[in-house]
Amino acid sequence: EIVLTQSPGTLSLSPGERATLSCRASQSVGSSYLAWFQQKPGQAPRLLISGASSRATGIPDRFSGSGSGTDFTLTITRLEPEDFAVYYCQQYGGSPRYTFGQGTKLEIK
Amino acid sequence: EVQLVQSGPEVKKPGESLKISCKGSVNSFTTHWIGWVRQMPGKGLEWMGSIYPDDSDTLDSPSFQGQVTISADKSISTAYLQWSSLKASDTAMYYCARSDGYNFDHWGQGTLVTVSS
Repeated sequence: EIVLTQSPGTLSLSPGERATLSCRASQSVGSSYLAWFQQKPGQAPRLLISGASSRATGIPDRFSGSGSGTDFTLTITRLEPEDFAVYYCQQYGGSPRYTFGQGTKLEIK
Repeated sequence: EVQLVQSGPEVKKPGESLKISCKGSVNSFTTHWIGWVRQMPGKGLEWMGSIYPDDSDTLDSPSFQGQVTISADKSISTAYLQWSSLKASDTAMYYCARSDGYNFDHWGQGTLVTVSS
């Protein structure tokens, strides 16, 4: 089973700052198969990044993804108030077919 | 626009059965995989399994195999998640989500299932 470990568990930052979120896989993940989601309280998750680095439709360019193999990063430059949420990484193709990381909570400092 | 509309919240007793639904808004529903994702209170996301509505082929998560049944009726663009005997530990929000092949690109609004005696 591919396990995704996200760090940190909680990240406290101020609007305007830069956020760097990490996702580490227990086995190599194909770059096409790593995605990032944002979830706000009371809402369904929203796809931000697919293929490790491609922004989904309508996602602002302050969100960017990078990485390969077992180490992936979601970067949010110039945090906006609406960016404070929980972020999940997810892999496709391993066993089980989909797994999610445990999430990183981005909170206002 | 792709929309997935899920059935409403449910309150059930342990041992009862339940079937919740996820209805797609466009014809392409039948030619995309539909996944079910559990989110227990205050916890993260867990993939339960997926179905390809056009032929009802399924992918199961080992963690949920035998615990739930995933089905679909392509004639009405609807996928289902079913329990035969609910437990208190099944209390959670359940999301359906469409896969573009690798990623869940569109999500339903969620169905809250509460199991309590």
